[in-house]
Amino acid sequence: EAQVTQNPRYLITVTGKKLTVTCSQNMNHEYMSWYRQDPGLGLRQIYYSMNVEVTDKGDVPEGYKVSRKEKRNFPLILESPSPNQTSLYFCASSLLGLAGGEIYEQYFGPGTRLTVT
Amino acid sequence: AQTVTQSQPEMSVQEAETVTLSCTYDTSESDYYLFWYKQPPSRQMILVIRQEAYKQQNATENRFSVNFQKAAKSFSLKISDSQLGDAAMYFCAYKNSGAGSYQLTFGKGTKLSVIP
Repeated sequence: EAQVTQNPRYLITVTGKKLTVTCSQNMNHEYMSWYRQDPGLGLRQIYYSMNVEVTDKGDVPEGYKVSRKEKRNFPLILESPSPNQTSLYFCASSLLGLAGGEIYEQYFGPGTRLTVT
Repeated sequence: AQTVTQSQPEMSVQEAETVTLSCTYDTSESDYYLFWYKQPPSRQMILVIRQEAYKQQNATENRFSVNFQKAAKSFSLKISDSQLGDAAMYFCAYKNSGAGSYQLTFGKGTKLSVIP
């Protein structure tokens, strides 16, 4: 089954304790992305990746890191989490068009609810 | 930077009736993509419909259709024959086309309730 998986689905942690949220897709998609969703703010893009070893900042990258060492995986790293990073996080993936720049349908993971106390 | 505005935080519709969700966007680009995503209580994000800006014809998917007004930078979603399963958050999203344009910008969402 074609899918995007995220782990963990729920996480409660404390300020400053490094954490990683994993994201994996089995569709051989070039494009992967992380979003955070907050009430009243919709989804905001954190980072995205166009292919292995190619990443770029979205609208709200501060406090986050990503890596893309393998095509299927795109982990989100919070080196020193803070309470303002409490949010619902989504990973998504998509094929890229041959001409570049075109994203086909994005497949979203189930979301990770993160609470930082 | 592009912005996407959904001016209706919440809406409601009677079952079997028609509802229109509004979305406006700001861009200086001439070619781009627009999307509507649905997020039911399960939190899963589901693509509802997609529109390429170079296409004049409005996209349709079964009971879902859009009214794309390029000059007005408006992209509304019409849901016909509303069903209880349509109750969800709906997000409008924008993306530039062209090589090197990979960022997707979402609106803040509209919460749709369906009244039996």
